[in-house]
Amino acid sequence: AQSVTQLDSQVPVFEEAPVELRCNYSSSVSVYLFWYVQYPNQGLQLLLKYLSGSTLVKGINGFEAEFNKSQTSFHLRKPSVHISDTAEYFCAVLKTSYDKVIFGPGTSLSVIP
Amino acid sequence: DVKVTQSSRYLVKRTGEKVFLECVQDMDHENMFWYRQDPGLGLRLIYFSYDVKMKEKGDIPEGYSVSREKKERFSLILESASTNQTSMYLCASGLTGGARSPLHFGNGTRLTVT
Repeated sequence: AQSVTQLDSQVPVFEEAPVELRCNYSSSVSVYLFWYVQYPNQGLQLLLKYLSGSTLVKGINGFEAEFNKSQTSFHLRKPSVHISDTAEYFCAVLKTSYDKVIFGPGTSLSVIP
Repeated sequence: DVKVTQSSRYLVKRTGEKVFLECVQDMDHENMFWYRQDPGLGLRLIYFSYDVKMKEKGDIPEGYSVSREKKERFSLILESASTNQTSMYLCASGLTGGARSPLHFGNGTRLTVT
């Protein structure tokens, strides 16, 4: 069975500082990888996705993620965070042969002024 | 823009009541999903549907059922609500072959069972 681990449940960071949110997955088959963001009192929306090709993926709002197959990781990064980035971030995987997305437990990013 | 609408933002129900959570999407998506979101557990899949009148169990289907009579509408039913079903419920829709098309989520229904 596949699973998704997000090692940090909460990440506080000062405004304009860089941030990395970690994600590791376990799967015996190839997967597609996603990061979703949930702003307060809203549903989730797609931040970025890795399907194939370049291992560095750029998303919305200045975020990027790097797929590392040997380490089965898909860490999310932003070089300089804003107050508006305060949200819950979810890493997710999708088996290539199924349409069922598996979500990690989430990381709560708090940007401190 | 795809819109996924959940009929209630907040619901308070009593133990033993039958509860209906409604979800409607306006983009003709084949796939619809019901997730439950709890702190520290992320999103857990309850049920999903690939087409009208079709349904598949997710990871935590116990105590829930679903109905999909029309393509745009996917209902989650709690046959007899219990306090451990107090949670945030999120509906999502997507296209078949969903890797290249993201899931679109509603804003959630926060259900409290007392």
